[in-house]
Amino acid sequence: DVKVTQSSRYLVKRTGEKVFLECVQDMDHENMFWYRQDPGLGLRLIYFSYDVKMKEKGDIPEGYSVSREKKERFSLILESASTNQTSMYLCASSIMGQGDYEQYFGPGTRLTVT
Amino acid sequence: GQQLNQSPQSMFIQEGEDVSMNCTSSSIFNTWLWYKQDPGEGPVLLIALYKAGELTSNGRLTAQFGITRKDSFLNISASIPSDVGIYFCAGQVAGGTSYGKLTFGQGTILTVHP
Repeated sequence: DVKVTQSSRYLVKRTGEKVFLECVQDMDHENMFWYRQDPGLGLRLIYFSYDVKMKEKGDIPEGYSVSREKKERFSLILESASTNQTSMYLCASSIMGQGDYEQYFGPGTRLTVT
Repeated sequence: GQQLNQSPQSMFIQEGEDVSMNCTSSSIFNTWLWYKQDPGEGPVLLIALYKAGELTSNGRLTAQFGITRKDSFLNISASIPSDVGIYFCAGQVAGGTSYGKLTFGQGTILTVHP
């Protein structure tokens, strides 16, 4: 089974803090994704990566950056957290090529910025 | 980004009833997927559809890829309490770059009363 893990299930940070969210997958998937989930808005793509050190902006990249130094690990960085970044953050991965639209998700990190 | 309209937004049903939900778009999609998210967890893939007109079942779940390629439907038969959760449709838009990117609907919140 594909396993995607996220470093924290719950996180509370103060406004202005730098926040790191880590995601690790164990299936050698090329593609990795970061989403945020807000009620009534579904899942919105922040950033994705299709290879080590490669990154592409999603639909809502403002206020976020990412890092992919190893194939299995994809990090989301909030340089200076703000209250409007309080949300559920979901990481996902998929294989490149046949079936690459079948994304597998981690359990999510619920971030609260106070 | 692309828009997917998922309906209904929420459903309250009695155990044993059948459930139907759908997603529509003004754009043509090459792939449709349906996910379920249990409370406090990440989405889990239920069904993936790759051809227009395709009808696929997974236990009590049946999903269809619309002939126009602009819509998809999910039916759940004989609902049980563990069907509770948020159901998301997702699709890959025809044309353009991919890298496995998906567009997600807003979600349907399903509540099942015993």
